Amino acid sequence: QVQLQESGPGLVKPSQTLSLTCTVSGGSISSGSYFWSWIRQPAGKGLEWIGRIYNSGSTSYNPSLKSRVTISVDTSKNQFSLRLSSVTAADTAVYFCARVVARAFDQWGQGALVTVSS
Amino acid sequence: QSVLTQPPSVSGAPGQRVTISCTGSSSNIGAGYDVHWYQQVPGTAPKLLIYLNNNRPSGVPDRFSASKSATSASLVISGLQAEDEADYFCQSYDISLSGLYVFGTGTKVTVL
Repeated sequence: QVQLQESGPGLVKPSQTLSLTCTVSGGSISSGSYFWSWIRQPAGKGLEWIGRIYNSGSTSYNPSLKSRVTISVDTSKNQFSLRLSSVTAADTAVYFCARVVARAFDQWGQGALVTVSS
Repeated sequence: QSVLTQPPSVSGAPGQRVTISCTGSSSNIGAGYDVHWYQQVPGTAPKLLIYLNNNRPSGVPDRFSASKSATSASLVISGLQAEDEADYFCQSYDISLSGLYVFGTGTKVTVL
């Protein structure tokens, strides 16, 4: 069974760039017709899709975040990454990575809390 | 910025049946896109509960069922159990500027 694990700094200063990596184990990120996504959830709130990437590097982003988001993939390390620039307190959330199958998120990482604060 | 609307909360006694609605629009459910459901126990990641409108992944009890109609969908929990107390989210695909994947506002299920 594929497993996903987020990693990265838990604290980011305002105006700086948030960087997270998702490591995929139990399967190759290059195999199958899967997209790989980032989703976030502010405390006590709902889920917001951030963006997705295919193993070819093709990306799609949420229009509300598109100007600040970059998702990349490193197939040699079986990882994909998220960069979110110019962060504010509103970007404080738990960030999840997930696998997309048939437009559903079938496997999720445990989540990484990122707090934006000086 | 949830695009799909769910009731904030539902509750029921053990053994009862509860229904959670998910209302969308012509750019998502109404456009024919499938609906998926997730269960999230506080402090953990969401878990796929129902995919492609009415299919249960392996290991999901058959007391969970779902359906989809024109611009909405419903999740039914028959025979409510204590371990079903969690947050539930619907999700679909969207062709507007809301983003490709949109989620419901979430429903807290409380077992009385």
